[in-house]
Amino acid sequence: DTGVSQDPRHKITKRGQNVTFRCDPISEHNRLYWYRQTLGQGPEFLTYFQNEAQLEKSRLLSDRFSAERPKGSFSTLEIQRTEQGDSAMYLCASSEGSGAVETQYFGPGTRLLVL
Amino acid sequence: DQQVKQNSPSLSVQEGRISILNCDYTNSMFDYFLWYKKYPAEGPTFLISISSIKDKNEDGRFTVFLNKSAKHLSLHIVPSQPGDSAVYFCAARGKAAGNKLTFGGGTRVLVKP
Repeated sequence: DTGVSQDPRHKITKRGQNVTFRCDPISEHNRLYWYRQTLGQGPEFLTYFQNEAQLEKSRLLSDRFSAERPKGSFSTLEIQRTEQGDSAMYLCASSEGSGAVETQYFGPGTRLLVL
Repeated sequence: DQQVKQNSPSLSVQEGRISILNCDYTNSMFDYFLWYKKYPAEGPTFLISISSIKDKNEDGRFTVFLNKSAKHLSLHIVPSQPGDSAVYFCAARGKAAGNKLTFGGGTRVLVKP
Protein backbone atom coordinates (compact mmCIF):
# COMPACT_ATOMS: atom_id res chain seq x y z
CA ASP A 1 0.00 0.00 0.00
CA THR A 2 1.58 3.31 -1.06
CA GLY A 3 -0.93 5.67 0.55
CA VAL A 4 -0.52 7.91 3.61
CA SER A 5 -0.33 5.91 6.83
CA GLN A 6 -0.89 7.03 10.41
CA ASP A 7 -0.14 5.38 13.70
CA PRO A 8 -1.85 4.72 16.02
CA ARG A 9 -5.35 4.63 14.61
CA HIS A 10 -6.89 5.12 18.06
CA LYS A 11 -5.56 6.58 21.29
CA ILE A 12 -7.27 6.90 24.65
CA THR A 13 -5.44 8.90 27.27
CA LYS A 14 -6.06 10.63 30.56
CA ARG A 15 -6.12 14.39 30.87
CA GLY A 16 -2.63 15.75 31.48
CA GLN A 17 -0.78 12.99 29.67
CA ASN A 18 1.39 13.52 26.60
CA VAL A 19 0.62 11.77 23.31
CA THR A 20 2.53 11.46 20.05
CA PHE A 21 1.18 10.54 16.63
CA ARG A 22 3.13 9.49 13.57
CA CYS A 23 2.43 10.08 9.89
CA ASP A 24 4.18 8.46 6.93
CA PRO A 25 3.40 10.33 3.70
CA ILE A 26 3.35 8.99 0.16
CA SER A 27 7.03 8.41 -0.59
CA GLU A 28 7.60 10.96 -3.36
CA HIS A 29 5.58 13.72 -1.67
CA ASN A 30 7.59 16.58 -0.19
CA ARG A 31 4.67 18.41 1.46
CA LEU A 32 3.01 17.11 4.60
CA TYR A 33 0.02 18.56 6.43
CA TRP A 34 -1.72 18.04 9.75
CA TYR A 35 -5.44 18.72 10.21
CA ARG A 36 -7.84 18.20 13.08
CA GLN A 37 -11.48 17.19 12.71
CA THR A 38 -14.10 17.30 15.43
CA LEU A 39 -17.53 15.70 15.26
CA GLY A 40 -19.82 17.27 12.69
CA GLN A 41 -17.16 19.62 11.35
CA GLY A 42 -14.82 19.63 8.41
CA PRO A 43 -11.07 19.21 8.90
CA GLU A 44 -9.22 22.29 10.19
CA PHE A 45 -5.65 23.06 9.18
CA LEU A 46 -3.00 22.82 11.91
CA THR A 47 0.41 22.97 10.24
CA TYR A 48 2.40 22.04 7.15
CA PHE A 49 5.91 21.08 6.12
CA GLN A 50 7.84 21.46 2.91
CA ASN A 51 10.48 18.75 3.26
CA GLU A 52 11.77 19.22 6.84
CA ALA A 53 10.84 22.92 7.12
CA GLN A 54 7.66 23.81 9.01
CA LEU A 55 6.29 26.64 6.87
CA GLU A 56 2.98 27.48 8.46
CA LYS A 57 1.20 26.98 11.77
CA SER A 58 -2.43 27.71 12.52
CA ARG A 59 -3.49 29.83 15.46
CA LEU A 60 -5.34 26.67 16.53
CA LEU A 61 -1.97 25.13 17.35
CA SER A 62 -1.38 26.07 20.97
CA ASP A 63 1.99 25.88 22.70
CA ARG A 64 1.09 22.38 23.85
CA PHE A 65 1.24 21.14 20.28
CA SER A 66 4.48 20.52 18.43
CA ALA A 67 5.13 18.91 15.08
CA GLU A 68 8.35 17.73 13.51
CA ARG A 69 9.53 16.25 10.26
CA PRO A 70 13.20 15.72 10.99
CA LYS A 71 14.40 14.09 7.77
CA GLY A 72 11.71 15.32 5.45
CA SER A 73 10.00 11.96 5.43
CA PHE A 74 7.71 10.92 8.32
CA SER A 75 6.27 13.44 10.75
CA THR A 76 5.24 13.38 14.40
CA LEU A 77 2.62 15.47 16.16
CA GLU A 78 2.95 15.69 19.93
CA ILE A 79 0.35 17.05 22.32
CA GLN A 80 1.58 17.81 25.81
CA ARG A 81 -0.65 17.97 28.88
CA THR A 82 -3.71 16.83 26.95
CA GLU A 83 -7.08 18.40 27.66
CA GLN A 84 -10.56 17.02 26.99
CA GLY A 85 -10.96 19.60 24.23
CA ASP A 86 -8.12 17.91 22.34
CA SER A 87 -10.38 14.93 21.65
CA ALA A 88 -10.67 14.79 17.86
CA MET A 89 -9.57 12.97 14.72
CA TYR A 90 -6.05 14.04 13.72
CA LEU A 91 -5.53 13.74 9.99
CA CYS A 92 -2.31 13.80 8.03
CA ALA A 93 -2.12 14.55 4.32
CA SER A 94 0.67 14.76 1.78
CA SER A 95 1.10 16.28 -1.65
CA GLU A 96 3.67 16.35 -4.39
CA GLY A 97 4.04 20.11 -4.26
CA SER A 98 5.51 20.42 -7.72
CA GLY A 99 2.92 22.51 -9.51
CA ALA A 100 0.65 25.47 -9.14
CA VAL A 101 -2.21 23.22 -8.18
CA GLU A 102 -1.88 20.13 -6.10
CA THR A 103 -4.03 17.51 -4.51
CA GLN A 104 -3.62 16.56 -0.88
CA TYR A 105 -4.06 12.88 -0.10
CA PHE A 106 -5.18 11.98 3.39
CA GLY A 107 -4.32 9.15 5.73
CA PRO A 108 -6.90 7.24 7.79
CA GLY A 109 -6.44 9.51 10.82
CA THR A 110 -5.71 9.00 14.50
CA ARG A 111 -8.75 9.27 16.74
CA LEU A 112 -7.83 10.73 20.14
CA LEU A 113 -10.06 10.50 23.19
CA VAL A 114 -8.98 12.38 26.30
CA LEU A 115 -10.73 11.23 29.46
CA ASP B 1 -15.68 33.08 10.33
CA GLN B 2 -16.67 30.21 8.04
CA GLN B 3 -15.12 30.92 4.67
CA VAL B 4 -16.45 27.71 3.12
CA LYS B 5 -20.01 26.64 3.81
CA GLN B 6 -22.05 23.60 2.93
CA ASN B 7 -25.55 24.61 3.90
CA SER B 8 -27.19 21.21 3.48
CA PRO B 9 -26.07 18.88 6.27
CA SER B 10 -27.72 15.89 4.63
CA LEU B 11 -29.15 14.68 1.33
CA SER B 12 -31.18 11.59 0.52
CA VAL B 13 -31.48 10.38 -3.08
CA GLN B 14 -32.77 7.32 -4.88
CA GLU B 15 -30.29 5.01 -6.58
CA GLY B 16 -29.83 5.96 -10.23
CA ARG B 17 -30.89 9.57 -9.73
CA ILE B 18 -28.70 12.66 -9.60
CA SER B 19 -27.11 13.89 -6.36
CA ILE B 20 -26.35 17.61 -6.25
CA LEU B 21 -24.16 18.93 -3.45
CA ASN B 22 -23.62 22.64 -2.98
CA CYS B 23 -20.83 24.71 -1.50
CA ASP B 24 -20.49 28.48 -1.04
CA TYR B 25 -17.38 30.44 -0.23
CA THR B 26 -16.65 34.01 0.77
CA ASN B 27 -12.94 34.45 0.10
CA SER B 28 -12.32 35.73 -3.43
CA MET B 29 -8.66 34.73 -3.11
CA PHE B 30 -9.52 31.02 -3.30
CA ASP B 31 -8.16 29.68 -6.59
CA TYR B 32 -8.49 25.91 -6.36
CA PHE B 33 -11.36 23.80 -5.13
CA LEU B 34 -11.60 20.13 -4.25
CA TRP B 35 -14.25 17.62 -3.24
CA TYR B 36 -13.50 14.80 -0.83
CA LYS B 37 -15.59 11.83 0.22
CA LYS B 38 -15.33 10.40 3.72
CA TYR B 39 -16.53 7.09 5.11
CA PRO B 40 -16.78 6.61 8.89
CA ALA B 41 -13.46 5.88 10.60
CA GLU B 42 -11.50 6.65 7.42
CA GLY B 43 -9.65 9.69 6.14
CA PRO B 44 -11.10 11.86 3.35
CA THR B 45 -10.65 10.45 -0.15
CA PHE B 46 -10.03 12.87 -3.02
CA LEU B 47 -12.79 12.88 -5.65
CA ILE B 48 -12.40 15.74 -8.08
CA SER B 49 -11.00 19.27 -8.26
CA ILE B 50 -11.36 22.43 -10.28
CA SER B 51 -9.14 25.43 -10.84
CA SER B 52 -10.65 28.91 -10.73
CA ILE B 53 -9.81 29.41 -14.41
CA LYS B 54 -12.40 26.77 -15.32
CA ASP B 55 -16.12 26.53 -14.75
CA LYS B 56 -16.58 22.79 -15.15
CA ASN B 57 -14.59 19.61 -14.65
CA GLU B 58 -15.86 16.11 -15.27
CA ASP B 59 -14.54 12.73 -14.21
CA GLY B 60 -16.77 9.75 -14.84
CA ARG B 61 -19.94 10.05 -12.79
CA PHE B 62 -18.66 13.18 -11.02
CA THR B 63 -18.89 16.72 -12.36
CA VAL B 64 -17.93 19.88 -10.50
CA PHE B 65 -19.27 23.27 -11.54
CA LEU B 66 -17.77 26.57 -10.42
CA ASN B 67 -19.59 29.92 -10.54
CA LYS B 68 -16.99 32.48 -9.51
CA SER B 69 -19.29 35.47 -9.64
CA ALA B 70 -21.65 33.77 -7.19
CA LYS B 71 -18.78 32.20 -5.21
CA HIS B 72 -20.54 28.89 -5.53
CA LEU B 73 -19.57 25.40 -6.54
CA SER B 74 -21.54 22.22 -6.86
CA LEU B 75 -20.82 18.53 -7.25
CA HIS B 76 -23.10 16.40 -9.40
CA ILE B 77 -23.08 12.62 -9.09
CA VAL B 78 -24.88 10.82 -11.92
CA PRO B 79 -26.09 8.15 -11.54
CA SER B 80 -25.97 7.86 -7.76
CA GLN B 81 -25.05 4.44 -6.38
CA PRO B 82 -25.46 3.00 -2.85
CA GLY B 83 -21.66 3.01 -2.46
CA ASP B 84 -21.76 6.80 -2.80
CA SER B 85 -23.35 7.03 0.64
CA ALA B 86 -20.79 8.99 2.65
CA VAL B 87 -20.00 12.48 3.92
CA TYR B 88 -18.80 14.87 1.22
CA PHE B 89 -16.57 17.86 1.94
CA CYS B 90 -15.73 20.74 -0.31
CA ALA B 91 -12.38 22.41 0.27
CA ALA B 92 -10.69 25.53 -1.07
CA ARG B 93 -7.13 26.76 -1.35
CA GLY B 94 -6.16 30.43 -1.40
CA LYS B 95 -3.35 31.90 -3.47
CA ALA B 96 -1.98 33.91 -0.56
CA ALA B 97 -2.75 31.36 2.13
CA GLY B 98 0.00 28.89 1.46
CA ASN B 99 -1.15 25.44 0.63
CA LYS B 100 -3.60 24.86 3.42
CA LEU B 101 -7.12 23.77 2.59
CA THR B 102 -10.21 25.35 4.14
CA PHE B 103 -13.05 22.85 4.43
CA GLY B 104 -16.80 23.15 4.58
CA GLY B 105 -18.75 21.34 7.27
CA GLY B 106 -19.75 18.44 5.06
CA THR B 107 -22.94 17.01 3.57
CA ARG B 108 -24.03 13.49 4.46
CA VAL B 109 -25.40 11.69 1.40
CA LEU B 110 -27.61 8.63 1.63
CA VAL B 111 -28.34 6.77 -1.58
CA LYS B 112 -31.34 4.48 -1.20
CA PRO B 113 -31.46 1.27 -3.26
